[in-house]
Amino acid sequence: AQTVTQSQPEMSVQEAETVTLSCTYDTSENNYYLFWYKQPPSRQMILVIRQEAYKQQNATENRFSVNFQKAAKSFSLKISDSQLGDTAMYFCAFMKHFRNTGNQFYFGTGTSLTVIP
Amino acid sequence: DAGVIQSPRHEVTEMGQEVTLRCKPISGHDYLFWYRQTMMRGLELLIYFNNNVPIDDSGMPEDRFSAKMPNASFSTLKIQPSEPRDSAVYFCASSLRVEQFFGPGTRLTVL
Repeated sequence: AQTVTQSQPEMSVQEAETVTLSCTYDTSENNYYLFWYKQPPSRQMILVIRQEAYKQQNATENRFSVNFQKAAKSFSLKISDSQLGDTAMYFCAFMKHFRNTGNQFYFGTGTSLTVIP
Repeated sequence: DAGVIQSPRHEVTEMGQEVTLRCKPISGHDYLFWYRQTMMRGLELLIYFNNNVPIDDSGMPEDRFSAKMPNASFSTLKIQPSEPRDSAVYFCASSLRVEQFFGPGTRLTVL
């Protein structure tokens, strides 16, 4: 079974500073996908960034980037130049396609990030 | 595209009543997922469908919960009878290849 662990329940960062959210996962699979989702107070789940395990290059989306360490099974999210609108719950997620059961997703427990003005 | 549509957005009901939550996935998506989110348990996968067929319902908490997907553009999650511990936000999400796209959620309160 696949598991996703987010060991930081809560974090805070000063506006304009950089913060890194941690995520580790456990799998015996070689090909899979990893995601970070953002859930602001509006509760809408928004995809922030995705990473294919077969790609060594770390994904980036504007101020959001990941540090993907496949051997260590680590997938951290770095937010640069933090903005007040980044205040949200952040979920790390793992997806693997299985022949019999299709796409299976696993989510971490989330990290609540507060950006302080 | 309008994204994943869920209705109602809020539902308040009394214990013992039947509750039906509705979801319209993004057109063309072949996966549909139902999740429940609470403070205590976080985000839980209840059931998911592929091409309208239920694949894994092991997350459905008990027989009071049932889900259907009669066609590619509509799914329901029904709770009968409802209990106060069912109070939560219920999300529907759809997927085509890789990413999941979530609906806005239904906040259910059972009194």
